[in-house]
Parts: sequence; structure tokens; C-alpha cells
Amino acid sequence: AQSVTQPDIHITVSEGASLELRCNYSYGATPYLFWYVQSPGQGLQLLLKYFSGDTLVQGIKGFEAEFKRSQSSFNLRKPSVHWSDAAEYFCAVATRGFGNEKLTFGTGTRLTIIP
Amino acid sequence: GAGVSQTPSNKVTEKGKYVELRCDPISGHTALYWYRQSLGQGPEFLIYFQGTGAADDSGLPNDRFFAVRPEGSVSTLKIQRTERGDSAVYLCASGTRNTGELFFGEGSRLTVL
Repeated sequence: AQSVTQPDIHITVSEGASLELRCNYSYGATPYLFWYVQSPGQGLQLLLKYFSGDTLVQGIKGFEAEFKRSQSSFNLRKPSVHWSDAAEYFCAVATRGFGNEKLTFGTGTRLTIIP
Repeated sequence: GAGVSQTPSNKVTEKGKYVELRCDPISGHTALYWYRQSLGQGPEFLIYFQGTGAADDSGLPNDRFFAVRPEGSVSTLKIQRTERGDSAVYLCASGTRNTGELFFGEGSRLTVL
């Protein structure tokens, strides 16, 4: 069965600093990979996804992520964070199938932004 | 509405009671998912519908949990004989087949006293 590990429970960065959130997955084949963001009082929102092709994927809000098969990683990055980026971030993996994108989520990383 | 709508947003009940949580997906989305998110955890898969049928219910924790989607749109998650361990946020998501993107509602927070 697939699994996702987000080793950092909580990260604090200064506004304007760069950000990298780590994600490692376990899956026997090439997975579908996702990053979602959850802000207080809001539903999960998709930031970006990787299915195939270019291993560097661009998402919304200036985020990007790089799929590294050799490291089983899909780390999320942003060159300069804004105070509005404070939220909970979840990495997820889905089995490749026909229509069932059942997601397995990591436990999340809470991002705090300081002025 | 434009997004996935879940009601109620908050539900407090007593141990042993019956609870229903409703999800109204985005119009036209054939896929509907229920997830459960406990405090400090990521969402955990419960059940997936494609149309009216439950295509995958492997995440339902036991037979006290049941979900229906009789007309292929609105879904109801039903929990019988609630237990304190059922306290969590129940998330609903909808999507279209093979697009790889799920749209989540804000969730229904269930508290069992």
C-alpha cells in the first residue's frame, strides 16, 4: 500500500524568505503526486500535481514541486513566501487507476510566517 | 453553488446517537469521495462513488458507517451508534473522472460527547 511521509510537523519562516516543504512517498510504481493547502475555515485546495513528463511542476500561488524518483520525494518550494501562505500543507499520493484518484495523505506541515 | 457544499458545518451529538452528514458536490462531477480528518492528521479515505454506486468503500472503519448517493449527485454519510472516537472533520470532495483534481468542501465537524 502507498504511504506519504511529511517529516516536518511545523515550519516557521520569515516573510520574503524561501521555503521548502519535504514529502517522501512509498509506492511500487510511478505515482500520481499532489500538494494541497488547507487554510483555517477553508477546504483543501490543490496547489499542483504530477502525473508524468517534466519532473518540475508549477502550481498556483507561485509554488513549484520537483519529483525525484531516485529519492521518492516530491518537495514543495516557493522562492519568497508571503504572510498569506501561512496554512497547513498536505502532500498526497494516488494510485494510478481508471477514475479512482483515491488519495493517501501525509500528516501535514503547518507553516507559520513571521514578519 | 460553485463549490462543494457540506452540511451541517458543525454537529455535536451524544454517544450512541445516529448522525447524517450531507454533501452536495459540484454540478456535473461524477466522482464523489468522503474523507475523515482527525486532529493533527491528514485526511483518510473512507469511500468513493462513481455515479450512484460505491466503487470503493474500503476505508469505512466498520459497519456503523454507511454512505449513499441515490441519484448520483448529493451524498449522505450515515453513522450509527456514534462513539467518541468518531469525532473528526468529515470532508467531501468531488471531481471528474481521470482529471486528477478533487474539489473539497469545508467539512462537517462532528463532536461526540
